[in-house]
Amino acid sequence: DGGITQSPKYLFRKEGQNVTLSCEQNLNHDAMYWYRQDPGQGLRLIYYSQIVNDFQKGDIAEGYSVSREKKESFPLTVTSAQKNPTAFYLCASSYGWSTEAFFGQGTRLTVV
Amino acid sequence: GENVEQHPSTLSVQEGDSAVIKCTYSDSASNYFPWYKQELGKRPQLIIDIRSNVGEKKDQRIAVTLNKTAKHFSLHITETQPEDSAVYFCAAIGTGGADGLTFGKGTHLIIQP
Repeated sequence: DGGITQSPKYLFRKEGQNVTLSCEQNLNHDAMYWYRQDPGQGLRLIYYSQIVNDFQKGDIAEGYSVSREKKESFPLTVTSAQKNPTAFYLCASSYGWSTEAFFGQGTRLTVV
Repeated sequence: GENVEQHPSTLSVQEGDSAVIKCTYSDSASNYFPWYKQELGKRPQLIIDIRSNVGEKKDQRIAVTLNKTAKHFSLHITETQPEDSAVYFCAAIGTGGADGLTFGKGTHLIIQP
């Protein structure tokens, strides 16, 4: 079954803890993205990667980190430096920069 | 970097009427403009896209127009149906993927019976 998979669907963490969100795709896509979705804010770009071992900061990268060691995987770490981490996080991938982006089902992170 | 503005934030139309959602972008180098639909509790999905070498594109009841000079593009939905109720996002990306795929804040489309 091909596609892009995020895990887990729901995640609860205590304040001050780092947490890593998983994103895996088997579509052979080069580009991968992480977005944060808050009510009324749309999809805000956190990080993106166009190729393995390379990634760029998006509009709201502060408090987040990523890695792209494999083409299939683009994990996002929400660090304790992120002041308001509770949100819905969406991962996406595309074959190239100007082709359809496919989204994962999202991870809802709640920090208490 | 790219900045995408989307209006209106909420749009309510009678079933059967048309709906128009408008977006503007800031980077004149942007050349790919997709539209996504997100139903409640689901992931965004592409419904139509347009490239900068085309002025208009249609797919059944959905059409997108692009004005490169004015740097704006619009989504048109005709003969709206209840299943069109969702949040719609426009997006833009520049040549070579510079600045990543940037989205507008979304439009909540409500179809009134």
